[in-house]
Amino acid sequence: EAQVTQNPRYLITVTGKKLTVTCSQNMNHEYMSWYRQDPGLGLRQIYYSMNVEVTDKGDVPEGYKVSRKEKRNFPLILESPSPNQTSLYFCASSTPGQGGSSGANVLTFGAGSRLTVL
Amino acid sequence: QQQVKQSPQSLIVQKGGIPIINCAYENTAFDYFPWYQQFPGKGPALLIAIRPDVSEKKEGRFTISFNKSAKQFSLHIMDSQPGDSATYFCAASKHSGYALNFGKGTSLLVTP
Repeated sequence: EAQVTQNPRYLITVTGKKLTVTCSQNMNHEYMSWYRQDPGLGLRQIYYSMNVEVTDKGDVPEGYKVSRKEKRNFPLILESPSPNQTSLYFCASSTPGQGGSSGANVLTFGAGSRLTVL
Repeated sequence: QQQVKQSPQSLIVQKGGIPIINCAYENTAFDYFPWYQQFPGKGPALLIAIRPDVSEKKEGRFTISFNKSAKQFSLHIMDSQPGDSATYFCAASKHSGYALNFGKGTSLLVTP
């Protein structure tokens, strides 16, 4: 089954304790991205990657790191988590031209990772 | 700065009604306008999308209306059903789907 897999799905941690949220896709997609979803703020992009070893900041990159050493994996790293990073995180991937009649990219999202930082 | 403004924040309609969700944007470089649907506990999934060279697109009961001059687009759900209850996000991109800018979302409840 074509999918984006995120782990962990739920995590409660404490301020300052480094954590990594993994993301893996099995669709050979070039593009991968991380979003955070907060009530009343919608989905905001954290980082994205156009391909292996190519990453760039989104709208809210502060406090996060990413790496793209392999095409299928795009982990999100919180070096020193703070309570304002408590959120629902989504990883997504896409590849050019899969958008049917619109010809655009269609993001496939993971199921989400709910992170609480105490 | 929110590049795509979405309204209303929440919406309740009866079964069979036609909920309408509106979005507005400022950046004329945007060339792709998708709508994503999210059910509780799930990630968003593409529902329907439009390019700015057409004014309307229909897929089943879902229709996007696009007004390029007003820089607005909207989602209409015909004959809405309780199973349509979800959060809907509009989005816009100037790179054919890369780096999507999402609206804040609309929580839709369709009552029986």
